[in-house]
Amino acid sequence: GDSVTQMEGPVTLSEEACLTINCTYTATGYPSLFWYVQYPGEGLQLLLKATKADDKGSNKGFEATYRKETTSFHLEKGSVQVSDSAVYFCALRPRDNTDKLIFGTGTRLQVFP
Amino acid sequence: DADVTQTPRNRITKTGKRIMLECSQTKGHDRMYWYRQDPGLGLQLIYYSFDVKDINKGEISDGYSVSRQAQAKFSLSLESAIPNQTALYFCATSGDDGYTFGSGTRLTVV
Repeated sequence: GDSVTQMEGPVTLSEEACLTINCTYTATGYPSLFWYVQYPGEGLQLLLKATKADDKGSNKGFEATYRKETTSFHLEKGSVQVSDSAVYFCALRPRDNTDKLIFGTGTRLQVFP
Repeated sequence: DADVTQTPRNRITKTGKRIMLECSQTKGHDRMYWYRQDPGLGLQLIYYSFDVKDINKGEISDGYSVSRQAQAKFSLSLESAIPNQTALYFCATSGDDGYTFGSGTRLTVV
């Protein structure tokens, strides 16, 4: 079945460092891809998305590109801030009629001053 | 008010007790979902509903039941709680504007 694999955390960085969180997927057809962020004590918020191959999603300095050839959707940011500390989830939505989301296991990012 | 409201925010219950988690939404979305989050496992789908008369099992429905009382309300029940149901539970809705998640209910079964 469809699945998402993302790198284990925690990822620990100093402020202004570069961030990459790897995400690969297995799916039938061409799913939509998402990154969600979960701040402490809160629910999940959509960070960015891409709905077709070669699309680049971006928001708040984060970017991810839908790579069909490598079935990947890696999250990147050039300069992280302490306020970016959170858990990040990669997810896919299959191209069926269910609108379900299939999530990766989450990656905790800790940014220190 | 939040678009998706879950109650209670935290609950501790004993093994064998019946417990209901409630979710209400003001998004006007037809589709609603219950997910469970465990450390290291991400979110797993328990049940989902496309409208009041359409309820479907997700990946991990055993031990859970749901009720869609109205378009805006979708409750999750544990008929006889067991310790391995200790987790963080999220309700969500989806529509043309995407998914909206509640803030979660942290359930501890002792």
